[in-house]
Amino acid sequence: DQQVKQNSPSLSVQEGRISILNCDYTNSMFDYFLWYKKYPAEGPTFLISISSIKDKNEDGRFTVFLNKSAKHLSLHIVPSQPGDSAVYFCAAQLAGNNRKLIWGLGTSLAVNP
Amino acid sequence: DAGVIQSPRHEVTEMGQEVTLRCKPISGHNSLFWYRQTMMRGLELLIYFNNNVPIDDSGMPEDRFSAKMPNASFSTLKIQPSEPRDSAVYFCASSLGRSSTEAFFGQGTRLTVV
Repeated sequence: DQQVKQNSPSLSVQEGRISILNCDYTNSMFDYFLWYKKYPAEGPTFLISISSIKDKNEDGRFTVFLNKSAKHLSLHIVPSQPGDSAVYFCAAQLAGNNRKLIWGLGTSLAVNP
Repeated sequence: DAGVIQSPRHEVTEMGQEVTLRCKPISGHNSLFWYRQTMMRGLELLIYFNNNVPIDDSGMPEDRFSAKMPNASFSTLKIQPSEPRDSAVYFCASSLGRSSTEAFFGQGTRLTVV
């Protein structure tokens, strides 16, 4: 059973527009959430994170929003650029000593020029 | 720093053979993680080490899988005997501290067992 779900396998947007990637989770014990970006034939790279005590974190063109009551987070990319085309993974970390990361299956974003 | 280095990048082997994947973490990082990525299950943590000691190996699928970290700069993941269902991309990652947040990943090893 997937505890972290990215229900859209793929997303296509025009250059300059907003990209919104969504992630839902089921475990209320998650206390930290991360987004990673992955290009083909490379490992995932860390993009942005948010603690469960916050509802928004912004870093340049990237903003992550967290809605704890809905167990939902989203990554906004504004404006989208062709170089943003990649697979985006949502990951959630369990509170406590283990602090294991649980990953979604990813959303493939294509930004068209 | 060259980042996390994994070898080989690609491995094709016959069912029943032993496979050894290698990882060199980033110098100074004291946590190391082995992940497996498949289309159906995504990224799964197999095992992680802190200060060369295995902390959580609950993700290791079965006894055919074993991992070692003899020193701070080297780790291996071994599959013996290998099976076709082990075909996947295996990633190694390292981070500062025990937390797996903001870990740095290697480029992965694509394993194909025929």
